[in-house]
Amino acid sequence: DIVMTQSPDSLAVSLGERATVNCKSSQTVLYNSNNKNYLAWYQQKPGQPPKLLIYWASTRESGVPDRFSGSGSGTDFTLTISSLQAEDVAVYYCQQYYSSPLTFGGGTKVEIK
Amino acid sequence: EVQLVESGGGLVQPGGSLRLACAASGFTLSSYWMNWVRQAPGKGLEWVANIKQDGSEKYYVDSVMGRFTISRDNAKNSLYLQMNSLRAEDTAVYYCARERYFISGNLGVFDYWGQGTLVTVSS
Repeated sequence: DIVMTQSPDSLAVSLGERATVNCKSSQTVLYNSNNKNYLAWYQQKPGQPPKLLIYWASTRESGVPDRFSGSGSGTDFTLTISSLQAEDVAVYYCQQYYSSPLTFGGGTKVEIK
Repeated sequence: EVQLVESGGGLVQPGGSLRLACAASGFTLSSYWMNWVRQAPGKGLEWVANIKQDGSEKYYVDSVMGRFTISRDNAKNSLYLQMNSLRAEDTAVYYCARERYFISGNLGVFDYWGQGTLVTVSS
């Protein structure tokens, strides 16, 4: 199974500042035949189900604000919130869909400083 | 509007059984792979199982293999999870989740989730 490790476990960022969440996979999630990274990011607010933010490591889902961006390749990935808003307080999860079983990172809690 | 509404959760004793249901609306269920994903209290997300559009392929995480069965009834717009031989570690909120459509086929990206139903396994 591919193990997804996120860091940090939590971070506090001032409103309007940048927040960065890291995700590392135990093996590559880059599929050489199409040069795509099989990596998604989700946002989960308290008491709500997760919401898809990004797939293919950097493609924003429709309707997701452009302050959210994803980057990275192979085994190392980053979710960046360029200017943190109050409504972005949530837990963020990365997920690989390169191979079964589908696996998630442990989550990173983003709070306001 | 796409909606997924889970039901069937509750308190069950270890070794017991429960059947979860997910009612789908706002889209054609028969066009999508569907999944169950669970989240233990205060913990992260764990994929449990998925099923192809016509029910001909099903996959499970190892920890539930042989105990859980995923099924669907497209005519009733419903997804199910039969859970047998339940253990304390199965305690979680169970989410029904739709796989995002990609032209290349099913990939395991979840674009819609239900609100979840809580399963508690305890004596």
